[in-house]
Amino acid sequence: DAVMTQSPLSLPVTLGQPASISCRSSQSLVYTDGNTYLNWFQQRPGQSPRRLIYKVSNRDSGVPDRFTGSGSGTDFTLEISRVEAEDIAVYYCMQGTHWPLTFGGGTKLEIK
Amino acid sequence: QLQLQESGPGLVKPSETLSLICSVSGASIISTGSYWGWVRQPPGKGLEWVGSVYYNGNNHYSPSLISRATISLDTSKNQFSLRLTSVTAADTAVYYCARLEGCTGINCYWGFDSWGQGSLVTVSS
Repeated sequence: DAVMTQSPLSLPVTLGQPASISCRSSQSLVYTDGNTYLNWFQQRPGQSPRRLIYKVSNRDSGVPDRFTGSGSGTDFTLEISRVEAEDIAVYYCMQGTHWPLTFGGGTKLEIK
Repeated sequence: QLQLQESGPGLVKPSETLSLICSVSGASIISTGSYWGWVRQPPGKGLEWVGSVYYNGNNHYSPSLISRATISLDTSKNQFSLRLTSVTAADTAVYYCARLEGCTGINCYWGFDSWGQGSLVTVSS
C-alpha cells in the first residue's frame, strides 16, 4: 500500500501569513499514463471533506487561487499564500494512483 | 448538480451488520467514469477509504475490510449501499458516501469530487 505521511500534524498560523503542508508517499504516485493522482482535501469543523486540488496542482471549481498544490513523484506540498479565517480546517492528502486508495493522517491548521 | 445523501440506523449492536444507503441525484450511478463508495472517519480521527465500485463490476475494497464489506449498486433507484458484517466498537465512525472520479475518455482524475453529509454509526450494546 502507498502510505501517505503528512507533516506537520498541527500548524499554528497567523491570519494573513502563508502556510505550507507536506505530504510524502511511500512509493511513486506517477501512474503508467504519466499522470500523478495526488489530491488535497479540506475538512472544516463539522463538515464533509471538500476536494481542493486534483492531479497535484489543479484547483477544483470555486477554490480560491491562494491555494496552490505542487510536487512530484513522492513529495507534495499544499501552500496557502495568505491564510484567512475560513481556511481553518484539517487538510488531507490522498493518492488515487494505486489501489487501495490511501489518505494522509491530516494536518490541522489553527490560529496562532 | 450532483448530490449524495446517506441514510441508515445510527446504532448497531456488536457482532451485527451495519447497513447504509446512499441516494444519488444529479447523475446516474451507471455513468462512465464514476465509481461509488464509502469513506469513514472515527470520532476525532482521520479519513479511511472503505471501498469503491463501478457499474461494470470493477470493485475495490480496503484490504483491512474486504472480508466484511460489500458495496452494492441499485440502478433502479439510483442508489448504492454498504453492508459491513460482524461490527465491533472499532467500526464506530461517520460514514461518508462519495463519488470517485475515474476516467472519462482520455481524462482521468482519481479523486473524490462529491461527498454526502455523513452518517454517524455507533456500535454499542
